[in-house]
Amino acid sequence: GAGVSQTPSNKVTEKGKYVELRCDPISGHTALYWYRQSLGQGPEFLIYFQGTGAADDSGLPNDRFFAVRPEGSVSTLKIQRTERGDSAVYLCASSWGRGSGNTIYFGEGSWLTVV
Amino acid sequence: AQSVTQPDIHITVSEGASLELRCNYSYGATPYLFWYVQSPGQGLQLLLKYFSGDTLVQGIKGFEAEFKRSQSSFNLRKPSVHWSDAAEYFCAVLNYGGSQGNLIFGKGTKLSVKP
Repeated sequence: GAGVSQTPSNKVTEKGKYVELRCDPISGHTALYWYRQSLGQGPEFLIYFQGTGAADDSGLPNDRFFAVRPEGSVSTLKIQRTERGDSAVYLCASSWGRGSGNTIYFGEGSWLTVV
Repeated sequence: AQSVTQPDIHITVSEGASLELRCNYSYGATPYLFWYVQSPGQGLQLLLKYFSGDTLVQGIKGFEAEFKRSQSSFNLRKPSVHWSDAAEYFCAVLNYGGSQGNLIFGKGTKLSVKP
């Protein structure tokens, strides 16, 4: 597609449930990032993939959060035993290749509400 | 730890007036700095970035920003605001010691434009 695509756009789940959020990056982009944006805050870095491997997962808040990118394209962010504090917009982004100078393109986000 | 401060939560300007959005960062060495814009229903879009060299950086949509090391600032400016500029603006710095794409964002400044 033309841009970064994220599904679902909205997800309401009950506390304690498992959730998966999907990201389809721009075609050809080898770098993929996940961010989380809580209400009234700026985005917070979660994880960065270069190809299939997680090059930097320093932003994952705890072991309930996990992300995969098995074929180096689509990525899934997985949240186990969801808590109300996990409610946020989860943003996916991608960029071409390696280097901090490459422009990062963001998707519209997946709004997660935990009730 | 590095941080980014955007002192103004909400700014209202008249259409055609000039705009300056403030951003201060904390970091000892030369930072990599970014400005992003977030409009409802759209993903974050990069306006401009500063890595080194000329301290006045030109971006898209008529925006510019000036890096001032002595003030630890990277303020965003536009000489004449258009109604379509109403959005939320985020300043960000590359996390030193982190990977590419590991950005630290400010909390954002919401811009409203009066007709």
